[in-house]
Amino acid sequence: GAVVSQHPSRVICKSGTSVKIECRSLDFQATTMFWYRQFPKQSLMLMATSNEGSKATYEQGVEKDKFLINHASLTLSTLTVTSAHPEDSSFYICSARSPLAGGRNEQFFGPGTRLTVL
Amino acid sequence: DAKTTQPPSMDCAEGRAANLPCNHSTISGNEYVYWYRQIHSQGPQYIIHGLKNNETNEMASLIITEDRKSSTLILPHATLRDTAVYYCIVRGVGNTPLVFGKGTRLSVIA
Repeated sequence: GAVVSQHPSRVICKSGTSVKIECRSLDFQATTMFWYRQFPKQSLMLMATSNEGSKATYEQGVEKDKFLINHASLTLSTLTVTSAHPEDSSFYICSARSPLAGGRNEQFFGPGTRLTVL
Repeated sequence: DAKTTQPPSMDCAEGRAANLPCNHSTISGNEYVYWYRQIHSQGPQYIIHGLKNNETNEMASLIITEDRKSSTLILPHATLRDTAVYYCIVRGVGNTPLVFGKGTRLSVIA
C-alpha cells in the first residue's frame, strides 16, 4: 500500500515551453503533497507544500509563477514548469502524506521525473 | 537546514552488517528520527523511524542513544541492492515536510 506514481518518468522539451508533471497517490488519499527537485550529485531540495484545495506554500527562492502547483483532489497534484530553461533541468520528485496511509504519517515518494530542457 | 550530520560515504562487504551513524544533537523532545534511502535515479524509500526506543522491522534496526543525540541504522546482512544514499532526518509531529541533508552514500562490495 501507499504507492505514489508520477508521470511522465522522463521528458525532454525545448527552451521556452511549459511542462506538466503529474503526481498521484494510488491507494490512499493524500491530504498533503510535497514537491522536491534534485540536481546531479546533490540532495533533495523541497520546493513547495500543497494541501488539497488550497494554494501551495513555496520555499524561499522558488518562484511560484514559474513552478505552478495545483492540488485539485486528494489523489492528484500537478507541477507545471512554465517557460522552461536549461537551468530547470533536474529530477523532480513528489511526495504524499496521509495520516492513514499505511497506518503511519510518514511521507511516501514517487519515482521521480527527469526533466531535460534543451 | 538539515538538523543531522552523517558521514558522506561508507563501504560494507556483502553479507556483513552495515552500521550507519547519524548525529542529531539538537533534536527536540517531540521530534522523530526517520531513515530513508535513495537508490540511483529513484525516489526515496522509507526504511524506519523512531522516537526514543529502538525499533526493528523487516528492513533494518534503528538504535537511538538514551540522550537521543545520535542514532545508528543497522542493515543486518547487506546485499548489493542495498547500495544507495541513506538519509537520516529529524522531523516533528504535524505536517512539517521532510528536509533532506546530504546523507551517506553506502557502497556494498562483493
